[in-house]
Amino acid sequence: KAGVTQTPRYLIKTRGQQVTLSCSPISGHRSVSWYQQTPGQGLQFLFEYFSETQRNKGNFPGRFSGRQFSNSRSEMNVSTLELGDSALYLCASSMGNQNTEAFFGQGTRLTVV
Amino acid sequence: GENVEQHPSTLSVQEGDSAVIKCTYSDSASNYFPWYKQELGKRPQLIIDIRSNVGEKKDQRIAVTLNKTAKHFSLHITETQPEDSAVYFCAASKNTNAGKSTFGDGTTLTVKP
Repeated sequence: KAGVTQTPRYLIKTRGQQVTLSCSPISGHRSVSWYQQTPGQGLQFLFEYFSETQRNKGNFPGRFSGRQFSNSRSEMNVSTLELGDSALYLCASSMGNQNTEAFFGQGTRLTVV
Repeated sequence: GENVEQHPSTLSVQEGDSAVIKCTYSDSASNYFPWYKQELGKRPQLIIDIRSNVGEKKDQRIAVTLNKTAKHFSLHITETQPEDSAVYFCAASKNTNAGKSTFGDGTTLTVKP
């Protein structure tokens, strides 16, 4: 069974640009959650998608958005990048119908210069 | 919203000793408490979880205890080994927000041989 796949693994962007990250969940999983991980802030919840709908949202500005496709793959977009957006972005997939184990991808390391 | 506090932020033990990491949560409706281990440069992986209808759960050298009244839960690792060295995160979530976990800030555990 393939695990959670995130692409790309590394990205370097310039301030003001936008970026799109991708997450392919485990087959059969309908929930994809996105987290931002920084050294001082731990894992901060961005949003969660279930069956193509945003079901939960964290406290991030509107520059952070996402979507989910019918095959459960999810994308996260960050517009007008700021230096502070530099972080490891992790997605996690789960069945989604109740609280169950979440499986994390390897993450995308975003560096904004 | 939910708030999870985790202590200590760093923990150093001698090989063979026990390690205890503690977390408190604020939302009495939270009912699922997973613990993740993240080795350097790797993804977080679930090591044990507990639901609110259980007070304690064990898996070999790892155990988790939950006190719903006091709203705290703890991770216990016995007979620590150097390969236990990693960052450990606690998290809390509830069925009404399945897919959204609030994480503690992490504990860096170092096991000295």
